[in-house]
Amino acid sequence: QKEVEQDPGPLSVPEGAIVSLNCTYSNSAFQYFMWYRQYSRKGPELLMYTYSSGNKEDGRFTAQVDKSSKYISLFIRDSQPSDSATYLCAMSENNQGGKLIFGQGTELSVKP
Amino acid sequence: NAGVTQTPKFQVLKTGQSMTLQCAQDMNHNSMYWYRQDPGMGLRLIYYSASEGTTDKGEVPNGYNVSRLNKREFSLRLESAAPSQTSVYFCASSEAYGILTNEKLFFGSGTQLSVL
Repeated sequence: QKEVEQDPGPLSVPEGAIVSLNCTYSNSAFQYFMWYRQYSRKGPELLMYTYSSGNKEDGRFTAQVDKSSKYISLFIRDSQPSDSATYLCAMSENNQGGKLIFGQGTELSVKP
Repeated sequence: NAGVTQTPKFQVLKTGQSMTLQCAQDMNHNSMYWYRQDPGMGLRLIYYSASEGTTDKGEVPNGYNVSRLNKREFSLRLESAAPSQTSVYFCASSEAYGILTNEKLFFGSGTQLSVL
């Protein structure tokens, strides 16, 4: 069993839809939770960052962490065709810096 | 702003050949990383360098060596390439490993490597 599980999709939604992306994990020592966005043939770029449990909002994006359930989510409101990309969740333990454990990534397509 | 630059972008090798992937960052970051990305596996850490002069193994180091040439450059070497090393390789950098709580990785655009 992988430490971090993420449904690879692909996920296709119409423009304007609310998108929900999720990851589950097994390591209770994870403290830092991130979402990276990766466009085709590009490197991942950090989208959202959360420490421990709770919610974080940035524009149309909301990240949620539920440590009791070992479950994290990324919500995209009013999705746009420019949001079409692969979304990767990533996690790390305390003081482990860039030693991230990534999910497999979910491929999202937003249709005009 | 260049950020993290990787060369080459594409490479085809025959089994047993060797090659070095180059990575350079211009953000004055202390820490650098090499990840590989395979379908269905996500990104996995191969090696990292917390600071100039230090290197450590990540999750999948077998078959690879690294050199932190200076603060800017971190290279990845395949001594005897195998088909299992066919992958997309990403170099990344961050300000300071394990010190800052907000550890943001900056990734390069990747090297697509095929080993026949």
